[in-house]
Amino acid sequence: DAGVTQSPTHLIKTRGQQVTLRCSPKSGHDTVSWYQQALGQGPQFIFQYYEEEERQRGNFPDRFSGHQFPNYSSELNVNALLLGDSALYLCASSFRVSGNTIYFGEGSWLTVV
Amino acid sequence: LAKTTQPISMDSYEGQEVNITCSHNNIATNDYITWYQQFPSQGPRFIIQGYKTKVTNEVASLFIPADRKSSTLSLPRVSLSDTAVYYCLVGVINQGGKLIFGQGTELSVKP
Repeated sequence: DAGVTQSPTHLIKTRGQQVTLRCSPKSGHDTVSWYQQALGQGPQFIFQYYEEEERQRGNFPDRFSGHQFPNYSSELNVNALLLGDSALYLCASSFRVSGNTIYFGEGSWLTVV
Repeated sequence: LAKTTQPISMDSYEGQEVNITCSHNNIATNDYITWYQQFPSQGPRFIIQGYKTKVTNEVASLFIPADRKSSTLSLPRVSLSDTAVYYCLVGVINQGGKLIFGQGTELSVKP
């Protein structure tokens, strides 16, 4: 049973560029959430996708957008990258109605230079 | 969502029992208490979850007093590999993935 998988694991981008991060949820899960974790901080909720729609959103600017596909996988897009966007981006999945625990992937390390 | 307060760091030695207490004075009736463990450069890993009294699994125990305003994660006989950051979260179970993380407790286990 595959857990939450994310790609790429590491990447370096230049200020102003755009980046796309990908996530496949744990088998049987239909809800995907994205988190940003800066060095030394706890993860911060970006947004959540369910049934291909954004359901909840944290305090992040519109430069952060996402998408969920019919197979429940998801993408996180960040436009006009800033140095402050350098962080570990975590994807988490859950099954919305069962009360199951939320599982996290290993994350994608983004460095903006 | 209830705010949580936990120690920033703790030190322990191999073989000892470690107890990490989390305060959540404004916990709501429907809130559960969940603990996650995070190693450097990895995603948080679920440890244990509870609503009241005591919950035990193969890796930890969770003690929740009757007023539920605090909780204690107990790690029996820690090893060096238990060195990690431990997060206490309080919220409605299955709220669709929106978890509010605090600073966490950085546990350092020494030989």
